[in-house]
Amino acid sequence: AQKITQTQPGMFVQEKEAVTLDCTYDTSDQSYGLFWYKQPSSGEMIFLIYQGSYDEQNATEGRYSLNFQKARKSANLVISASQLGDSAMYFCAMREGRNTGFQKLVFGTGTRLLVSP
Amino acid sequence: DGGITQSPKYLFRKEGQNVTLSCEQNLNHDAMYWYRQDPGQGLRLIYYSQIVNDFQKGDIAEGYSVSREKKESFPLTVTSAQKNPTAFYLCASSNEGRGGMNEQFFGPGTRLTVL
Repeated sequence: AQKITQTQPGMFVQEKEAVTLDCTYDTSDQSYGLFWYKQPSSGEMIFLIYQGSYDEQNATEGRYSLNFQKARKSANLVISASQLGDSAMYFCAMREGRNTGFQKLVFGTGTRLLVSP
Repeated sequence: DGGITQSPKYLFRKEGQNVTLSCEQNLNHDAMYWYRQDPGQGLRLIYYSQIVNDFQKGDIAEGYSVSREKKESFPLTVTSAQKNPTAFYLCASSNEGRGGMNEQFFGPGTRLTVL
């Protein structure tokens, strides 16, 4: 079964508008972590935001926020006030077993975001 | 500046040749990773290492080999046994410990093309 599902291959948004990128996950662990990474055309993966499964509040980091709905197993990324530089691929990833030492990341297939002027 | 460097940025290889991709980090991280990315796909884990002189296979280790002789370095060799090596390769590192975010930091990647 796919662990991380990103159903939107591509999204378009106008500059200064907000956009939500969807991510659903599948795990039987109670302890896990969710990450969002941005990959510009240069290829490097840039860490954006993290949500732990026991975190009571939704994570926020500047213009990025994570809409974490544990019961629905979703961890959507919200980008407010989009900028042209936000155009990139966005990947959702999950790490299981937060409190057991090393845990590998499992990535979704990504969503390509294009921001238009 | 602390970070991860990968070299070369672009690499061309003839079929049947082994090639080695370099990855160096000066973040003092214990754990290092190699991922492969194919067009339109997410990242898949090839190998990882939690400590010097120790490494483990990831999900797609066949046709690859690694070494971890120094904390800062984690080179990846793509051998001739790898059937479809053309891909984008990303190296990452992180602190590893119980609890905490422990996000992975990535290098700029190496694009390997087999001619």
